Amino acid sequence: QLQLQESGPGLVKPSETLSLTCTVSGGSISSSSYYWGWIRQPPGKGLEWIGSIYYSGSTYYNPSLKSRVTISVDTSKNQFSLKLSSVTAADTAVYYCARHIRDIVVVVAATLYYFDYWGQGTLVTVSS
Amino acid sequence: QSVLTQPPSVSAAPGQKVTISCSGSSSNIGNNYVSWYQQLPGTAPKLLIYDNNKRPSGIPDRFSGSKSGTSATLGITGLQTGDEADYYCGTWDSSLSAGGVFGGGTKLTVL
Repeated sequence: QLQLQESGPGLVKPSETLSLTCTVSGGSISSSSYYWGWIRQPPGKGLEWIGSIYYSGSTYYNPSLKSRVTISVDTSKNQFSLKLSSVTAADTAVYYCARHIRDIVVVVAATLYYFDYWGQGTLVTVSS
Repeated sequence: QSVLTQPPSVSAAPGQKVTISCSGSSSNIGNNYVSWYQQLPGTAPKLLIYDNNKRPSGIPDRFSGSKSGTSATLGITGLQTGDEADYYCGTWDSSLSAGGVFGGGTKLTVL
């Protein structure tokens, strides 16, 4: 059974960089069929996709966060990581890592996109 | 403001049926596949429906999904108190600001 576990500081000061790591167990992060993503959820609010990475290192980010986000992968450790710079109180949220499918069905020119395995989430608070 | 629009809340009695709508546009729901997630209180989201209407292994057939044009619908029959949760739709947006998008979520109350 695939499992994902987020880790990192629960408190970050304003203007600093938030750093989180997701450790994948029960499966290989180098599988060619999947992407690995980060999603966040501010307290009492909805889900927001942050960005994703393929095992090769190819990344794509939410345009609204792109200037502050870096996602990287370490296949030797079966981990991928998130860095979000210049944080403010608005970045306070539960951060989830997840595995997802992203594929194009050519015959109908439509994109398959869904998250099938999620970590338990970790709350990151931005405060001085 | 979410790209996909869901009603903030729905409610129904145990044993009844409920539907949750998700409205988008041609750049997202209209031309891509929709997924649905259940988030029980204090837990991570869980995949309920993918590819518009497919259920992962272990998801009961009380849950169903459909799509028409630029809208999608999640249906739940035989409501149970354990179904009380937040439900989110998601898809890919193929516009110039391409990326994954979610609805704002719908709180289901089983009366």
